[in-house]
Amino acid sequence: EVQLVESGGGLVQPGGSLRLSCAASGFSFSSYWMSWVRQAPGKGLEWVANIKQDGSEKYYVDSVEGRFTISRDNAKNSLYLQMNSLRAEDTAVYYCARVGGSSIAGRPGYFYYMDVWGKGTTVTVSS
Amino acid sequence: IQLTQSPSSLSASVGDRVTITCRASRGISSYLAWYQQKPGKAPKLLIYAASALQSGVPSRFSGSGSGTDFTLTISSLQPEDFATYYCQQVNSYPWTFGQGTKVEIK
Repeated sequence: EVQLVESGGGLVQPGGSLRLSCAASGFSFSSYWMSWVRQAPGKGLEWVANIKQDGSEKYYVDSVEGRFTISRDNAKNSLYLQMNSLRAEDTAVYYCARVGGSSIAGRPGYFYYMDVWGKGTTVTVSS
Repeated sequence: IQLTQSPSSLSASVGDRVTITCRASRGISSYLAWYQQKPGKAPKLLIYAASALQSGVPSRFSGSGSGTDFTLTISSLQPEDFATYYCQQVNSYPWTFGQGTKVEIK
C-alpha cells in the first residue's frame, strides 16, 4: 500500500524549532519529487516546499524562506521539514505529499500534481 | 500567481450539476489541478493537467479550461461529494492554491 506518515508535530513556543518527518512506503520514494503543504486552522491549503528526487533542487513559499529547510534521506525513505524561528502564523496541520507527473498524448509539457498525501501532523506555535 | 475561486461556497442538492471556477492572475497553460477535501481529512487529487481525471475518481467529475480560466464540474452531485474543493497551479513557483469552494447540502 502506498502510504505517507507524518510525525514530529507538537506545541512549540514562538522562536522555537521543530523537525517534521514523513515516512514513505509502498513506492519508490527516490523516484519522486516530494512536497510539504500546510493548512492553518479553518483556512485553506498552502504549499510550503518541494524537493527534487536527489535533493539537488528545493523551492519554498516566501513566508518560510530562510526559516524552513526541506530535506530527504532516500536510504530511509524519509522526508523532513526543519522549522526554525517559528511564528504563531506557522500554526497548522502539515501534510507531506508525493508529487506525481505525467505527459499527455497530444499535449506539450509535463504535468505535476500531488497524488498521495499523508494524514498530517499538527504544529502549534504558542506561548 | 494568484488563484481566485468562485463561488466561495454553494448549496446544492443531490443530483444537481455543480460548476466551480478558478481564475489565475496570469496564464498558466493547463498546469492546474483540482483537489477535494473533507473535514479532518487530507486532500484528494481529482483532476490534473486541467482536464485529466485521476485514476479511481468517478467520471461525474470533469475539468476544463486553459490559460487563466478553469472549471471543475460535478455532473450529478452525490452525497459523498459534499466537501471543499481547491484548485492549484503548478505552472511556476511558488505553487499556489485557490482559497477553496465549500459545497454544502441544500
